[in-house]
Amino acid sequence: ELKVEQNPLFLSMQEGKNYTIYCNYSTTSDRLYWYRQDPGKSLESLFVLLSNGAVKQEGRLMASLDTKARLSTLHITAAVHDLSATYFCAVDKNFGNEKLTFGTGTRLTIIP
Amino acid sequence: DAGVTQSPTHLIKTRGQQVTLRCSPKSGHDTVSWYQQALGQGPQFIFQYYEEEERQRGNFPDRFSGHQFPNYSSELNVNALLLGDSALYLCASSGTPGSQETQYFGPGTRLLVL
Repeated sequence: ELKVEQNPLFLSMQEGKNYTIYCNYSTTSDRLYWYRQDPGKSLESLFVLLSNGAVKQEGRLMASLDTKARLSTLHITAAVHDLSATYFCAVDKNFGNEKLTFGTGTRLTIIP
Repeated sequence: DAGVTQSPTHLIKTRGQQVTLRCSPKSGHDTVSWYQQALGQGPQFIFQYYEEEERQRGNFPDRFSGHQFPNYSSELNVNALLLGDSALYLCASSGTPGSQETQYFGPGTRLLVL
């Protein structure tokens, strides 16, 4: 059974600092997704990583995928308050657009 | 371009009742997946519909059933509701299985079972 683990579960950071969220998964996959969820809201797609070594960046967020290590990271650069949210990684074990297995989520709070 | 839409937004039911939730996929998408998100947890996959058939199913009992219509919209039905069914139910749409794009999520239906 595929397991997806994120750490940390909770993260408080000061504005302007850098930090990384880690996503480990237990079986082979080359498709990994990152989503953002604001309180009481739905999931917003951030990144789709489709191959080993894939790196994508959008604003202050950068995601990477190492399929050999079964590890993805979401790096936050110079955090701002608007980035406060819960971040989920999700793995698609099969070939595309099928069952997503989500991680536990990382609740990120940016402190002024 | 309308994104994924779901109805209703909120619902309160009592134990033992039945509920139907509805989802319309994003324009151009033909695959609909349903997820259950309990408070403080990540979403869990319930099932996926494509070409009006259930393609995959997660670890949910038969009380959870669904349907997809020719216009690609979908319904999720839950019978004999339990307190533990209280959750946010998310619908996600995507292109044909195997295509390289993400799943887009709707705003969700928040179900409370009393």
